[in-house]
Amino acid sequence: DTEVTQTPKHLVMGMTNKKSLKCEQHMGHRAMYWYKQKAKKPPELMFVYSYEKLSINESVPSRFSPECPNSSLLNLHLHALQPEDSALYLCASSQEKRGKNTEAFFGQGTRLTVV
Amino acid sequence: EDQVTQSPEALRLQEGESSSLNCSYTVSGLRGLFWYRQDPGKGPEFLFTLYSAGEEKEKERLKATLTKKESFLHITAPKPEDSATYLCAVQRAGSARQLTFGSGTQLTVLP
Repeated sequence: DTEVTQTPKHLVMGMTNKKSLKCEQHMGHRAMYWYKQKAKKPPELMFVYSYEKLSINESVPSRFSPECPNSSLLNLHLHALQPEDSALYLCASSQEKRGKNTEAFFGQGTRLTVV
Repeated sequence: EDQVTQSPEALRLQEGESSSLNCSYTVSGLRGLFWYRQDPGKGPEFLFTLYSAGEEKEKERLKATLTKKESFLHITAPKPEDSATYLCAVQRAGSARQLTFGSGTQLTVLP
């Protein structure tokens, strides 16, 4: 099973709303990621969690707030977003052990539209 | 700074017409090179990991190869369902969690 599940699939929110994106995996992976992808561009890394601790924050604005409640779940809390934040938000996970394959498996993404 | 350049940006093939996609990279100590397939509006689907020059991996009509400077994704006798964007990404040694992606090659296979 190489499945990463993201909910919701689509989200439309106003600039004053607060919403959350959710991600779940049951592969025993201890690294989880949030990526942002604009149309016809490659994914851009936002955050990395390793063993439930935030290890990388790629200078993401504070209106994006990640959370890793346990080893299987990853959330991205959204508040006061701008229209330019509209994008496909991708969650991914990977193994964390030395010597193991480190390929990342991606979810199907949440298509976010900020109006 | 790690760099990944994919070519061509777009490729149109007739069904059955074999071709190759290129991924050139500059990275300080390659830990791994990854190929993904992405359909419109979906997340990238993992295809292959290559770790060292000379390594080859195959899956159905796809074959990935790696040299010290580039990787090729060979598509043999493609079918319309192979149409997608193919992304290449590199991972630097000592940076196990970060991927640097290329901009992708958009492949269209015509029936």
